[in-house]
Amino acid sequence: DSGVTQTPKHLITATGQRVTLRCSPRSGDLSVYWYQQSLDQGLQFLIQYYNGEERAKGNILERFSAQQFPDLHSELNLSSLELGDSALYFCASSVTVYNSPLHFGNGTRLTVT
Amino acid sequence: AQTVTQSQPEMSVQEAETVTLSCTYDTSESDYYLFWYKQPPSRQMILVIRQEAYKQQNATENRFSVNFQKAAKSFSLKISDSQLGDAAMYFCAYRIPLTQGGSEKLVFGKGTKLTVNP
Repeated sequence: DSGVTQTPKHLITATGQRVTLRCSPRSGDLSVYWYQQSLDQGLQFLIQYYNGEERAKGNILERFSAQQFPDLHSELNLSSLELGDSALYFCASSVTVYNSPLHFGNGTRLTVT
Repeated sequence: AQTVTQSQPEMSVQEAETVTLSCTYDTSESDYYLFWYKQPPSRQMILVIRQEAYKQQNATENRFSVNFQKAAKSFSLKISDSQLGDAAMYFCAYRIPLTQGGSEKLVFGKGTKLTVNP
């Protein structure tokens, strides 16, 4: 158990809809990262938050947004969903030193129909 | 931009044998960290091993070890005495610190699917 909690585990929704994915980091971790893993693909970095502030942005679509709350949990909002958004979305957390690894949650499997 | 390349989409090994997974990366940085993650069929991402770029000694974790060649920008993973439970997708990842202009994010390769044959 990595200590990172993601909900829900599975999500099935229709095109055009909006969903929210939730992540609770490990206790004490201030950084939260979101990654997208499409079928048989590697992990694509979407966005990073550190202690409530956006720290880095990757290949995140304008239809997607995220935030980190004062209690350090984070939410990833996906709107105007398209079939191609179907993927496994991972949240990871870490302490603030770069030599510490990222600890991943079990992911949320999003299926857009 | 930093890139990570895993040139072997798939590998197979016999149980109890040794296998080496390749990884190369591209960077102009001098200080960074390298990781190997394992993703079994459950899709969970599990840290296998990590290597600090300034350390010449190769990291070892039980049956897992790395061959880190900084000049060649190569970071291969060796799995000894392979077990059925080692079957998974293996991802190589690279990370640079914020102090060197990075975001501390991990940049991943596309992965190598390892099959372990009984």
